[in-house]
Amino acid sequence: EDQVTQSPEALRLQEGESSSLNCSYTVSGLRGLFWYRQDPGKGPEFLFTLYSAGEEKEKERLKATLTKKESFLHITAPKPEDSATYLCAVQAPGGNKLVFGAGTILRVKS
Amino acid sequence: NAGVTQTPKFRILKIGQSMTLQCTQDMNHNYMYWYRQDPGMGLKLIYYSVGAGITDKGEVPNGYNVSRSTTEDFPLRLELAAPSQTSVYFCASGDRAPYEQYFGPGTRLTVT
Repeated sequence: EDQVTQSPEALRLQEGESSSLNCSYTVSGLRGLFWYRQDPGKGPEFLFTLYSAGEEKEKERLKATLTKKESFLHITAPKPEDSATYLCAVQAPGGNKLVFGAGTILRVKS
Repeated sequence: NAGVTQTPKFRILKIGQSMTLQCTQDMNHNYMYWYRQDPGMGLKLIYYSVGAGITDKGEVPNGYNVSRSTTEDFPLRLELAAPSQTSVYFCASGDRAPYEQYFGPGTRLTVT
């Protein structure tokens, strides 16, 4: 069974304090790994897709990386507006479905 | 483009009542999805559709039904509501797998 585990469950950072969120997965033949941002009371907003080990994508203060077993979302010099829940999801072969992790709640204090 | 829209935003149901959650997308996407999100549990797939007239079960389909008569609309029907169906429901659409899905704002449903 495809599984996605995110850690930590919650993370508190001071503004400017860089850190990383982890997404580990077990899936046979990964077709894609997705990162989403979700603000309170809103739907998830797409951030990145990674397709193969070694791939990296960047957007502003966020950088996503992928290995054969896990993905990291690196946050460099975060600001309070980066506070949100970050969701990771994987897509396996033979289907159009995403399997989501439980998410990491990030709080950045000024 | 409005993207993915959902109605209503909030609803309170009594046990045993029925209702339909509406979802419409204006991006001409073939793929549409219904998820539920419970606190600390991530998103669970209820049903999905790969095109008009085609639907399939996801991870947690019991107690729900869907239909897909047009490309734009993908309503979710709850029959005989139960407290276990208290959740936030999200509709999403996508161009084709394995590309990204676009989510609506959600419907917060409480069954008492």
